Amino acid sequence: GAGVSQSPRYKVAKRGQDVALRCDPISGHVSLFWYQQALGQGPEFLTYFQNEAQLDKSGLPSDRFFAERPEGSVSTLKIQRTQQEDSAVYLCASSRDRGGETQYFGPGTRLLVL
Amino acid sequence: LAKTTQPISMDSYEGQEVNITCSHNNIATNDYITWYQQFPSQGPRFIIQGYKTKVTNEVASLFIPADRKSSTLSLPRVSLSDTAVYYCLVGVYNTDKLIFGTGTRLQVFP
Repeated sequence: GAGVSQSPRYKVAKRGQDVALRCDPISGHVSLFWYQQALGQGPEFLTYFQNEAQLDKSGLPSDRFFAERPEGSVSTLKIQRTQQEDSAVYLCASSRDRGGETQYFGPGTRLLVL
Repeated sequence: LAKTTQPISMDSYEGQEVNITCSHNNIATNDYITWYQQFPSQGPRFIIQGYKTKVTNEVASLFIPADRKSSTLSLPRVSLSDTAVYYCLVGVYNTDKLIFGTGTRLQVFP
């Protein structure tokens, strides 16, 4: 596609529910990143994939957060047993390769946990 | 990664030049300086990147003094559509993750 797409754009979940957020990166992009952005703050790194390999998951806040990219293209960020503090915008970005390439961001998924 | 400091907010009027300065006193030899722009309800967008002196593209200019402890993003003749948050990032060129601060919220008035 022309850019990074994310779905859904908005998600409301009840506390304790599981959610799955999808990212479609730019076709052919090797690297894929997930970021979490709280209201009024800059994005914070969650995890990074190079093709299907998850090379860095140091930013995942707890073991309730899980990300996968099984075929090296589409990625899913799953949050189990959501808590109110998980409410944020979840941004996905992709880049053509690793090594300082420009990251292209999607519009984000706004998650609200009630 | 080097910590950055930039103003929380700035106001300007259409047609003016806007300069946003970022301080990065602990910048390392192999660190680059990158600026991203973020509009409401959108993801950040790359604006410009540089290592030293001056870099210019169709959107902005980036001025980096010799000591590289600060940098200035210059937006010529801003319009209302330049209202956004601007982030200064400093890091190794081939780093995998971006480290964002809180950014500078630029408001352009008519």
